[in-house]
Amino acid sequence: AQSVSQHNHHVILSEAASLELGCNYSYGGTVNLFWYVQYPGQHLQLLLKYFSGDPLVKGIKGFEAEFIKSKFSFNLRKPSVQWSDTAEYFCALRTDSWGKLQFGAGTQVVVTP
Amino acid sequence: GAVVSQHPSRVICKSGTSVKIECRSLDFQATTMFWYRQFPKQSLMLMATSNEGSKATYEQGVEKDKFLINHASLTLSTLTVTSAHPEDSSFYICSAPGGFTDTQYFGPGTRLTVL
Repeated sequence: AQSVSQHNHHVILSEAASLELGCNYSYGGTVNLFWYVQYPGQHLQLLLKYFSGDPLVKGIKGFEAEFIKSKFSFNLRKPSVQWSDTAEYFCALRTDSWGKLQFGAGTQVVVTP
Repeated sequence: GAVVSQHPSRVICKSGTSVKIECRSLDFQATTMFWYRQFPKQSLMLMATSNEGSKATYEQGVEKDKFLINHASLTLSTLTVTSAHPEDSSFYICSAPGGFTDTQYFGPGTRLTVL
């Protein structure tokens, strides 16, 4: 069975610091990978996605993620965070064509001014 | 971008009653929608896949007689929590794949509290 694990449950950092959130998955076949963000009181929004091709994908708001197949990882990065990046971040895996997503446990990111 | 709405945004009910939650795709059609449940400070767990015009597909461990799903049109799926109990209190979120982008669009969620 497939699974998604996110290493950090809570991350606190200052504005302008760099952010990296770890995501590892377990599945032997072809995968589609996503990072979603949930701002306080808002619904989930897609940050970026990887289907195929260039393993370094760029998303909205300056986020990027790198798919490393050999490590089964899809880590999210942002070089310089802002206070408005305070949110919960979810890594998600899709293994079928129906669109079902399996989510990681989420990482709560707090950016202090 | 595509928009998915849910109604109501929050509901409080007494134990033993049934509650219906609606999920609508506002500017696109969705033959498939997904229902998730999110516990406080935890991730989203897929409950079922709602299919327009046919029976829903439930994930292992989800009681289909308790969580009734109806996908009556291309823009509406409903989740009915029957004979709700306090342990059913949770945040229920629906999603629908949008067009050719192969991206899921999520509704804002419904907070259910069962007293």
